[in-house]
Amino acid sequence: DTEVTQTPKHLVMGMTNKKSLKCEQHMGHRAMYWYKQKAKKPPELMFVYSYEKLSINESVPSRFSPECPNSSLLNLHLHALQPEDSALYLCASSQEGGGRTDRHNEQFFGPGTRLTVL
Amino acid sequence: AQSVTQLGSHVSVSEGALVLLRCNYSSSVPPYLFWYVQYPNQGLQLLLKYTSAATLVKGINGFEAEFKKSETSFHLTKPSAHMSDAAEYFCAVSGRSGGYNKLIFGAGTRLAVHP
Repeated sequence: DTEVTQTPKHLVMGMTNKKSLKCEQHMGHRAMYWYKQKAKKPPELMFVYSYEKLSINESVPSRFSPECPNSSLLNLHLHALQPEDSALYLCASSQEGGGRTDRHNEQFFGPGTRLTVL
Repeated sequence: AQSVTQLGSHVSVSEGALVLLRCNYSSSVPPYLFWYVQYPNQGLQLLLKYTSAATLVKGINGFEAEFKKSETSFHLTKPSAHMSDAAEYFCAVSGRSGGYNKLIFGAGTRLAVHP
């Protein structure tokens, strides 16, 4: 299995809602990532988990809360979002490389969740 | 710090013509370079990667890229464009920031293929 899956595919939420995005991989990868991608822009890194521990938080607002329950799963909890948070949210994984390592492994991306905040 | 510049935000070619997408990098250490493709409403798919093993790298779907240190370039080519190649292409370098490895993306190049 060389796939990263993400659910849901689409999500519409109000500014007072709480929702979660889910990402799963079964490739035995130990680094997992959340990216935000606005239209016609490259992905922007949000969070990196390495061996189930948060390694990088790119100064993301606290209304985004990541969670890594185990080595295969990555969640992104959303609360009190703003309309400008509407974007494609991509999950990725790599064998290693999210942490303090010299390995520069490629990242495998999921299909993304298209989020619309009303 | 590492960075990537993609020359040309839009490239248009005829079906069957050569595809050339340009990428220049900046890195103080030997770089690890990647090309990703993104089809509409999809995630990113790795086309190929350079990790210093060979300067000419072959990828999927008939694409290849040549690493030229003297020109700090890693341009993506395909001899004959197909309609299905229409997509957004991102060049990326793996760089260290704050003690961690991160992918640093270029702004992207949208490839259009017309009949």
